[in-house]
Amino acid sequence: DQQVKQNSPSLSVQEGRISILNCDYTNSMFDYFLWYKKYPAEGPTFLISISSIKDKNEDGRFTVFLNKSAKHLSLHIVPSQPGDSAVYFCAASAFSAGGTSYGKLTFGQGTILTVHP
Amino acid sequence: GAVVSQHPSRVICKSGTSVKIECRSLDFQATTMFWYRQFPKQSLMLMATSNEGSKATYEQGVEKDKFLINHASLTLSTLTVTSAHPEDSSFYICSAGTSGGRRQYFGPGTRLTVT
Repeated sequence: DQQVKQNSPSLSVQEGRISILNCDYTNSMFDYFLWYKKYPAEGPTFLISISSIKDKNEDGRFTVFLNKSAKHLSLHIVPSQPGDSAVYFCAASAFSAGGTSYGKLTFGQGTILTVHP
Repeated sequence: GAVVSQHPSRVICKSGTSVKIECRSLDFQATTMFWYRQFPKQSLMLMATSNEGSKATYEQGVEKDKFLINHASLTLSTLTVTSAHPEDSSFYICSAGTSGGRRQYFGPGTRLTVT
């Protein structure tokens, strides 16, 4: 059961344009979402996160949008740069039933972003 | 800040031997560490969650006697792959989280090849 899905395996964008990466989830208990960037043979690097009490979070060129009713989030990169080329994973987590932070992440399959000069 | 290291970065071992991978949080105390494995062109699959001073919690389908996890201090967790077989060849990644924090910081990963 894939609780976090990234339906686009790859995305190709021209330098300077906007990159939009999408992610859908099914578990309504998820209340914290993260985007990670990953290069081959390296660990993921944290990019940006959003709590379910918000619908938008911005950090420089990166903006994450959350639509809770649709169980959908997206990552916008503007302007896209060749150095942004990597695999992007969205991840989600839920508080444990006891109310304390649990932190376990469920990852999507990843989207390969290629930014052409 | 929030740097996590892993050692070794790459290891080749013979079938039937055991391999230990270390995960360290360098500039913060990690109350919880996580171990993932990633197969080529696939997502990161959580193997287990370890909390300092207590037994690890393994995900369904992960053999706890094969993948031994020890989290002896707030900055160090180890994963030992016992009696390794070629099907255990994979990319193993650890991450660390802080108390009350929702983010995980990942190590650079360890490429295990079992011949």
